[in-house]
Amino acid sequence: TQLLEQSPQFLSIQEGENLTVYCNSSSVFSSLQWYRQEPGEGPVLLVTVVTGGEVKKLKRLTFQFGDARKDSSLHITAAQPGDTGLYLCAAPGGSNYKLTFGKGTLLTVNP
Amino acid sequence: KAGVTQTPRYLIKTRGQQVTLSCSPISGHRSVSWYQQTPGQGLQFLFEYFSETQRNKGNFPGRFSGRQFSNSRSEMNVSTLELGDSALYLCASSDQGTSYNEQFFGPGTRLTVL
Repeated sequence: TQLLEQSPQFLSIQEGENLTVYCNSSSVFSSLQWYRQEPGEGPVLLVTVVTGGEVKKLKRLTFQFGDARKDSSLHITAAQPGDTGLYLCAAPGGSNYKLTFGKGTLLTVNP
Repeated sequence: KAGVTQTPRYLIKTRGQQVTLSCSPISGHRSVSWYQQTPGQGLQFLFEYFSETQRNKGNFPGRFSGRQFSNSRSEMNVSTLELGDSALYLCASSDQGTSYNEQFFGPGTRLTVL
C-alpha cells in the first residue's frame, strides 16, 4: 500500500504570512494531485504535477513535485482567510482507477 | 456543466439499519468513485465504477456495496450499519479521457449512525 504522509497536520497562521505544507512518500508516483476542501464541501482539485522537479503556480500558490517524484510541496504566499481549508495530496494507488489520499493539512488563516 | 450532485446531504440512521446513497456525475463522465472520510482515517477509497462495472475496490467489508446505472448515476449501499460507519461519504466523477484520474467531487452525504 502506497502511503502519503502530509505535514504539518494542523497549521494556524495570521493573514499575510507565508507557509509551506508537505506531502511525502517512499514510493515513486507517475503524478500527484493537490486538492482543497472547505467545510461542508467536497475536495476541489487545485493542480496535477507529473514531471520530477516540476513547479506550477496558481496565483499565490506554488506547487513543486520532487525530482525523484516521491514528494511534493505547496507554498502559499501572503495567506488570506479565504485560503482556510483542508489541503490534501493524492496519487494513483496501485491502479489508475484508484486514488490514495494523504490525511491532509488543516490550514486556518486568521484575519 | 452542472457539478456532481449527491443525495441526501444528511442522514441519521440507527445501528442495524441499511442506507442507500445516490450520486449523479458530471455530464459525460463515465467513471464514478466513492470515498469515506473520517477525522481519524482521512479519505479512504471504497470503489470505482465505469460503464456499470466495478473496476476497483478498497479494503472495506462486504456490507459496503455499490452499483452504476446506464446513465452513469451511481448508488452505494451500506447494510447492517455500525456506529463506526458514521462519516462523510463522497462521490467523485472523472473524465477518463485524461491520464491522471483527476476527480471532481460532490458535496458529500453526512451519515450519522446512532
